Amino acid sequence: RKEVEQDPGPFNVPEGATVAFNCTYSNSASQSFFWYRQDCRKEPKLLMSVYSSGNEDGRFTAQLNRASQYISLLIRDSKLSDSATYLCVVNGEYNFNKFYFGSGTKLNVKP
Amino acid sequence: NAGVTQTPKFQVLKTGQSMTLQCAQDMNHEYMSWYRQDPGMGLRLIHYSVGAGITDQGEVPNGYNVSRSTTEDFPLRLLSAAPSQTSVYFCASSPVRGGPYTQYFGPGTRLTVL
Repeated sequence: RKEVEQDPGPFNVPEGATVAFNCTYSNSASQSFFWYRQDCRKEPKLLMSVYSSGNEDGRFTAQLNRASQYISLLIRDSKLSDSATYLCVVNGEYNFNKFYFGSGTKLNVKP
Repeated sequence: NAGVTQTPKFQVLKTGQSMTLQCAQDMNHEYMSWYRQDPGMGLRLIHYSVGAGITDQGEVPNGYNVSRSTTEDFPLRLLSAAPSQTSVYFCASSPVRGGPYTQYFGPGTRLTVL
């Protein structure tokens, strides 16, 4: 079983739409959770960390559900520039220095 | 700050050749790591280091060596290249203190092994 699983998409949405991605993880003792964004043929860049109480950064909201072992990312008022692949990242259960990446969810925002 | 730099950007090797991928960061980060990214797969951790002189294996360490003699540099050595090592390699660094590790990635090295 993969450590982190994501729906690969693609999610095709119009500008202005609200879109949500989920990610499930297998290590119940994981402590650190992140969403990264990766543009085509570029390096991943941190979008936001995910905190237990949930957190918001502008149009982006991240939630953590420890009981069900999933994290979510909500993007409101989608922009063309949001088109990218979104990677879910979780640290290891027995070694918090190890990080596991999901394979990513591709988002296409259309005009 | 240059951030995280990687060289070379592209490399073609023949099976059995060895080479070193270079990674450097100028942010005084303690944590550094190497990942590979294959089509349709997420990044997989190869090796990581939490400080100079300290390295450990990640998820897919076979065929790769690392060393960390300084805080700034974390080279990745391919001992005897194989076609299965064709991939995009990313180096990343992170501060350790002050909360969750927020990793900063270099631009990547695209490696093809023939």
